Amino acid sequence: EPEVTQTPSHQVTQMGQEVILRCVPISNHLYFYWYRQILGQKVEFLVSFYNNEISEKSEIFDDQFSVERPDGSNFTLKIRSTKLEDSAMYFCASSPGQGLYGYTFGSGTRLTVV
Amino acid sequence: QKEVEQNSGPLSVPEGAIASLNCTYSDRGSQSFFWYRQYSGKSPELIMSIYSNGDKEDGRFTAQLNKASQYVSLLIRDSQPSDSATYLCAVNGGKLIFGQGTELSVKP
Repeated sequence: EPEVTQTPSHQVTQMGQEVILRCVPISNHLYFYWYRQILGQKVEFLVSFYNNEISEKSEIFDDQFSVERPDGSNFTLKIRSTKLEDSAMYFCASSPGQGLYGYTFGSGTRLTVV
Repeated sequence: QKEVEQNSGPLSVPEGAIASLNCTYSDRGSQSFFWYRQYSGKSPELIMSIYSNGDKEDGRFTAQLNKASQYVSLLIRDSQPSDSATYLCAVNGGKLIFGQGTELSVKP
């Protein structure tokens, strides 16, 4: 069964450092997403990406965050200057279309900011 | 603000019983509804989708949708200890919005 692949599985970084989280969505999917889940809290939408541009972003997704699809397979989330409150599980997801489709989630990257 | 509400639980049922999980949503324009299962420390896994009013069955799982009441539910028949997880209701009104999840514990 096709999978969404995320790397690394766990990243520890110092406050103020930049981190890049990487994802390889399912190859024939067209829509890509980043979500985050702070420990014990709900899964929260960050951003959606389609046709090489952001289609929607949440209030959480401020100027410290950016996304990129640098080639035909990878999809990245960059956090420029990490804060303690950025510590969370970050999930990448993809879907073949909008509206009626569920999303397939990757296994996640646990980001710990110290 | 589009909201999806679930009872956080925990919901505890004995092995072999029916587990009933409920969800309400605020956006009447929502088109599609999903149930995800999330084991501790793992990612959400899609287990059911439903788009029309009524029931949809898949093995031991039945999803129920009532758009007039803005209500979605998931029934798990013959519950097994391996069903112990957090169940997330998700509603798509342009993007997936998740509820906070209901923790289910199935006791042997």
